[in-house]
Amino acid sequence: AQTVTQSQPEMSVQEAETVTLSCTYDTSESDYYLFWYKQPPSRQMILVIRQEAYKQQNATENRFSVNFQKAAKSFSLKISDSQLGDAAMYFCASSYGGSQGNLIFGKGTKLSVKP
Amino acid sequence: DAGVIQSPRHEVTEMGQEVTLRCKPISGHNSLFWYRQTMMRGLELLIYFNNNVPIDDSGMPEDRFSAKMPNASFSTLKIQPSEPRDSAVYFCASSTSGRGTGELFFGEGSRLTVL
Repeated sequence: AQTVTQSQPEMSVQEAETVTLSCTYDTSESDYYLFWYKQPPSRQMILVIRQEAYKQQNATENRFSVNFQKAAKSFSLKISDSQLGDAAMYFCASSYGGSQGNLIFGKGTKLSVKP
Repeated sequence: DAGVIQSPRHEVTEMGQEVTLRCKPISGHNSLFWYRQTMMRGLELLIYFNNNVPIDDSGMPEDRFSAKMPNASFSTLKIQPSEPRDSAVYFCASSTSGRGTGELFFGEGSRLTVL
């Protein structure tokens, strides 16, 4: 069975500082994608960053980057220069079943940003 | 471009009543997903369709739940009869299938409260 584990229910960071959110996963897929989604209080899930498992290079999107350790099945998200607008729930997700878009999500990490 | 559109945004109903949630996927997307989000269980995949055909409904909790996709631009999730434990946020998401990015595009969700 595919699983995604986020071990940090809550995290806090000072504005302008850097924070890392952890995620581990387990999959039997040979080809898969990993994602971080952000869910602000408005509820809508927004894609933050995506990583193709076959790529060794870590994905980056502006202030967001990942540390993808395939052997360890680890996929952490680093947010640099944190902003108040980064405060949200963050969900790690792994695709399965042939990339139809089937995703399994972790339980989420609630990130607070202190001014 | 319009995103995934869900209605209603909020629904409050009494136990035993029928509830119908609606979703319009992004034009051109051929995969559609229904997820349920609760504090206890996080995000759970209920069912997904590919080219309007249900592919995997193993996540549907029980026979009280049913989903249809009569055409490429519309899907419904019905609960009949509803129970208090069905209270949750229900998300619809769409994507393009095949070996693409695997990214899901979510609607804003329908918050259901069953009294």
